[in-house]
Amino acid sequence: DAGITQSPRYKITETGRQVTLMCHQTWSHSYMFWYRQDLGHGLRLIYYSAAADITDKGEVPDGYVVSRSKTENFPLTLESATRSQTSVYFCASTRTGALGTQYFGPGTRLTVL
Amino acid sequence: GQQVMQIPQYQHVQEGEDFTTYCNSSTTLSNIQWYKQRPGGHPVFLIQLVKSGEVKKQKRLTFQFGEAKKNSSLHITATQTTDVGTYFCAGQPIIQGAQKLVFGQGTRLTINP
Repeated sequence: DAGITQSPRYKITETGRQVTLMCHQTWSHSYMFWYRQDLGHGLRLIYYSAAADITDKGEVPDGYVVSRSKTENFPLTLESATRSQTSVYFCASTRTGALGTQYFGPGTRLTVL
Repeated sequence: GQQVMQIPQYQHVQEGEDFTTYCNSSTTLSNIQWYKQRPGGHPVFLIQLVKSGEVKKQKRLTFQFGEAKKNSSLHITATQTTDVGTYFCAGQPIIQGAQKLVFGQGTRLTINP
């Protein structure tokens, strides 16, 4: 039972480069979420998706792009990475939206130099 | 936007002492969830509270949801070293209608054995 996986687990990139973080879940959950975690800010929602081809902005969407062509995948792209996007990124999924357990992936630690 | 404030940000206790973290929302919540994140790990769901005034217990952990559904608390009795980690509350603002959670900043618990 793979559950929810993220890749890569660690990534170092340079300012201005495009980076894509992958998220894959095997439960066929409808809802998927991307959060970033920074010291002092907890978890902040970047984007979420209620189903394939349905996405919506969260609290901090600027500089990020998402897509969801298949239920099981929810990639997050940083179109032109900035130092302020250095963070730990968590993907999560849930069957029932906000009213239900969110299952988190292991996280991707991204450093932008 | 909606805010969920969590205090304290850090708490250090001696093993065997009690611990409490508090969560306060600027708006009424339809539900509140609690998550635990071990150092270097990802958030893991602990519990969900839905009803006004609800109290739930999990062994040494007691969770409360306020009467006005704007605040919540997590109390750990007689802490053990396995309780180390960061505890997050997360609520779904009732006025928003969207299926997303707003996370508090978390309370990091460290324990002196």
